[in-house]
Amino acid sequence: DPKIIQKPKYLVAVTGSEKILICEQYLGHNAMYWYRQSAKKPLEFMFSYSYQKLMDNQTASSRFQPQSSKKNHLDLQITALKPDDSATYFCASSQGTNANTGQLYFGEGSKLTVL
Amino acid sequence: TQTVSQSDAHVTVFEGDSVELRCNYSYGGSIYLSWYIQHHGHGLQFLLKYYSGNPVVQGVNGFEAEFSKSDSSFHLRKASVHWSDSAVYFCAVSSATGGNNKLTFGQGTVLSVIP
Repeated sequence: DPKIIQKPKYLVAVTGSEKILICEQYLGHNAMYWYRQSAKKPLEFMFSYSYQKLMDNQTASSRFQPQSSKKNHLDLQITALKPDDSATYFCASSQGTNANTGQLYFGEGSKLTVL
Repeated sequence: TQTVSQSDAHVTVFEGDSVELRCNYSYGGSIYLSWYIQHHGHGLQFLLKYYSGNPVVQGVNGFEAEFSKSDSSFHLRKASVHWSDSAVYFCAVSSATGGNNKLTFGQGTVLSVIP
């Protein structure tokens, strides 16, 4: 059974619209993350949360907003979508509040296509 | 600034061959190094990591990696590959000093194993 559930697996959006990517983890981890994988760039860090609080934000645009309603949830809201936002978005988690152990657990990803 | 370089975009070997996937990093401080595998259409899975001690670390499924401070490298090896090892392999680095909890990934190496 998957321990990190991401929904939806695939989604298509039109430019200017808004989408929410869902992530739930059932590993009992305290820290959760969002990473983005696009055709043009290597897998890149976006956000990290620990105990529902933002720890690090490497996303320049405020169009990307993480939302954590529970410790094991970290959704990603994306507004005013652009074609360049097309990518696969991966949710990840780690045990403890620090990912310095270098060991993250990843979900299957949500592939977003913006037309 | 942390950088990770995987010089080989694509490596092709026959089943039963040995393989080495190269990873070089650039970072001035104390770090964690790790390798991840991504099968097509799935999320990343942790293989192994290094922080200190024995420079050769063992991972899952017969993989091992060797850290070299002098070469700034962390190459991944397997003595005898199986067709199911075909995947994309990512090297990652993260700072071991406080507060930095993001992984910086390399561009990935596609390993193709011919049965």
